[in-house]
Amino acid sequence: SSELTQPSSVSVSPGQTARIPCSGDALPKQYAYWYQQRPGQAPILVIYKDTERPSGIPERFSGSSSGTTVTLTIRGVQAEDEADYYCQSADTSSTWVFGGGTKLTVL
Amino acid sequence: QVQLVQSGAEVKKPGASVKVSCKASGYSLTNYGITWVRQAPGQGLEWMGWIANNGNTNYAQKLQGRVTMTTDISTSTVYMELRSLRSDDTAVYYCSGSFFDSTGYYDYWGQGTLVTVSS
Repeated sequence: SSELTQPSSVSVSPGQTARIPCSGDALPKQYAYWYQQRPGQAPILVIYKDTERPSGIPERFSGSSSGTTVTLTIRGVQAEDEADYYCQSADTSSTWVFGGGTKLTVL
Repeated sequence: QVQLVQSGAEVKKPGASVKVSCKASGYSLTNYGITWVRQAPGQGLEWMGWIANNGNTNYAQKLQGRVTMTTDISTSTVYMELRSLRSDDTAVYYCSGSFFDSTGYYDYWGQGTLVTVSS
């Protein structure tokens, strides 16, 4: 099965832009989904189908895709955005996989 | 509104089985599937498998042979049974459901069930 690779941590100051990449061989063929998870809570979907934002998710969250890498971008980062972020996609055998997760720290 | 309510925490001995339930309200199990995800303490999310609205299942390769997902339509409840438990099965287990409609994409998660495997 294919893997998804994310950096373990990203740090930004409030108001700056955070970019979290996720790379995987299957990503040119499969959509990516992004989840935010705060400590002790269930994950929340913030981006689906590479670039789409569910209702209720702030506009500062966006997604993009280029080749084998998808990227979650958070513009104007706020303290409440501090959380773990996971990318997810389907692999070639119709099962799904998560990236290892990225801890976003707001300095 | 949609709610996925999971059963309570479990403590099991190695080699035993556990069955976690996920009761859906406002979410049609005859139309949509349920995914199970687990998270070991301090670790990332792990996709376990999926049960479709027609009962078809798809499991993660590493859990094949140990996991079974079933649906009881009469009670709107999905079950995940994991057998031959090991210490590294200690985790919070989540059920989740999602669907598209004319107004967008919706994704819902249960509150999680802590399963502790310890002798």
